[in-house]
Amino acid sequence: DAGVIQSPRHEVTEMGQEVTLRCKPISGHDYLFWYRQTMMRGLELLIYFNNNVPIDDSGMPEDRFSAKMPNASFSTLKIQPSEPRDSAVYFCASRLADTQYFGPGTRLTVL
Amino acid sequence: SQKIEQNSEALNIQEGKTATLTCNYTNYSPAYLQWYRQDPGRGPVFLLLIRENEKEKRKERLKVTFDTTLKQSLFHITASQPADSATYLCALHSGGYNKLIFGAGTRLAVHP
Repeated sequence: DAGVIQSPRHEVTEMGQEVTLRCKPISGHDYLFWYRQTMMRGLELLIYFNNNVPIDDSGMPEDRFSAKMPNASFSTLKIQPSEPRDSAVYFCASRLADTQYFGPGTRLTVL
Repeated sequence: SQKIEQNSEALNIQEGKTATLTCNYTNYSPAYLQWYRQDPGRGPVFLLLIRENEKEKRKERLKVTFDTTLKQSLFHITASQPADSATYLCALHSGGYNKLIFGAGTRLAVHP
């Protein structure tokens, strides 16, 4: 298996623009997680899905953030409009049993 | 409030020595605890899981202990190598919740 796939790997955008991050989990994994990592706040859970259904979105910072999982093999995290403080590395992870497998991350820079 | 604490300062050790990293937590009752390794520019990679009813877990040169009374986990790397240099994250899972809460991580540097 190729592992968790994220795209793009790097994204540079201007404040106010819409940003969409994409994730393909490992086949057969029933949980999917979106995290954000910054130097100041570390690795924070934003939202997670079980069998494509959002279970807990309490970590989503604002209404500007939204996430979807239309099927078992694809999820998106959207920021609209983006702000400089959204600059971070965004990780997607999928889970089988008790182990999470992280993707390589998307480094987002909002100018 | 709930808190997970890992040594914020980098740990520098000599090759061949044992590295010991600490994870302390407050106001959690985790059903299990995990350790991950993260290299620069990459996502965390799972290393070990230890459950609340286990005192110790080993995998090759890695050893994890879990003391629910002290609310502490220790992570040991024996016979350390420069390739072990990375940031190590501990993560807690609370019973009834299907999510992990991560510590800030400790950076380990193993010098030849």
